[in-house]
Amino acid sequence: AQSVTQLDSQVPVFEEAPVELRCNYSSSVSVYLFWYVQYPNQGLQLLLKYLSGSTLVESINGFEAEFNKSQTSFHLRKPSVHISDTAEYFCAVSVINTDKLIFGTGTRLQVFP
Amino acid sequence: DVKVTQSSRYLVKRTGEKVFLECVQDMDHENMFWYRQDPGLGLRLIYFSYDVKMKEKGDIPEGYSVSREKKERFSLILESASTNQTSMYLCASSRSSGNTIYFGEGSWLTVV
Repeated sequence: AQSVTQLDSQVPVFEEAPVELRCNYSSSVSVYLFWYVQYPNQGLQLLLKYLSGSTLVESINGFEAEFNKSQTSFHLRKPSVHISDTAEYFCAVSVINTDKLIFGTGTRLQVFP
Repeated sequence: DVKVTQSSRYLVKRTGEKVFLECVQDMDHENMFWYRQDPGLGLRLIYFSYDVKMKEKGDIPEGYSVSREKKERFSLILESASTNQTSMYLCASSRSSGNTIYFGEGSWLTVV
């Protein structure tokens, strides 16, 4: 079975500071990896995903995540956050060639001015 | 743009009532999902469907059933609502494995 661990339930940071949201997964088979973002009172939106190829993936709004197979991690980073990045972030995995996403418990990023 | 529409954003129901949550997607996606979201627990999969009239149990199917009579529509049914089913319910769809899963805006259900 697969599982996802997001160790930090909340991450408070000041605007323009760097941030890292941690995600570790457990799986005995190959997986796809995802980060989703949920803004207040909205559904989830895909932020970025790793399917294969380059282990560093980027989103259009400055976030990036690196797939580390040896450490079974997929941490999300941004070098300088904005107030508008305040949201809940979910890491998720799915086994290759299946359609089921397993989510972590989420990390609430709060950006302060 | 892909659109996943959940018919009700906010519902209040009484214990024991039968509850229907409806979800429609407009991109001809094969897969559809129902999740519930609770603070500190993340999203947990209730049921999913990979084709019309096909369904599979997720991690927490107890107390729920689903219906998929048409490709674009996936309904979640609470046969007899209970207070522990008070939650945010999220519907989602995707074309196939590895493709982006698109979510609706969620349905807040309160059972009193």
